[in-house]
Amino acid sequence: SYELTQPSSVSVSPGQTARITCSGDVLATEYTRWLQQKPGQAPVVVIYKDSDRPSGIPERFSGSSSGTTVTLTISGAQVEDEADYYCYSAADNNWVFGGGTKLTVL
Amino acid sequence: EVQLVESGGALVQPGVSLRLSCAASGFSVSSNYMRWVRQAPGKGLEWVSVIYSDGSTSYADSVKGRFIVSKDKSKNTLFLQMNSLRAEDTAVYYCAREGDPDYWGQGTLVTVSS
Repeated sequence: SYELTQPSSVSVSPGQTARITCSGDVLATEYTRWLQQKPGQAPVVVIYKDSDRPSGIPERFSGSSSGTTVTLTISGAQVEDEADYYCYSAADNNWVFGGGTKLTVL
Repeated sequence: EVQLVESGGALVQPGVSLRLSCAASGFSVSSNYMRWVRQAPGKGLEWVSVIYSDGSTSYADSVKGRFIVSKDKSKNTLFLQMNSLRAEDTAVYYCAREGDPDYWGQGTLVTVSS
């Protein structure tokens, strides 16, 4: 089975750059999405196809990929960016998810 | 605007059945890949099922043989029929449209407990 590995938590001060990594063999051949989840709200994709940003997502969100590791970067993180972030990718018929990273901005 | 609204979640006893609905707007359920994903309380995300535009389906091993995904073109709605529910099926269930980007609904809570 496929696995994606993320750090369980990342903490930054407002205005700093936050980086969240996601590693897994499947990422060498499949695109990654990044999902932002805040309590009580529908989850939102902030990055798809490794580095594309949906309309309406602030430019401070960016994604990059190198081999079997992808990185979500939030440049100048804001307090409102505090959330759980999940990487996920397609593998066979499945969606495979990372374990999630709790981003704290304070 | 793409919108997905799940409904049907409830508190049920083990062994019973429940059907979840996901009403879509802004696009056609029939011509898109649609997925169900669940999240147990305090846990991460788990893919549950997919129904492709041609109607073919696939399921996670944990629900195979118990859950059935379907869609109604006239109602533009996705369904998840959940049979023989177990305590470990307790979760928030999300529907999602696969695309560039994916869109997710807000989820509906299913609690299986005696």
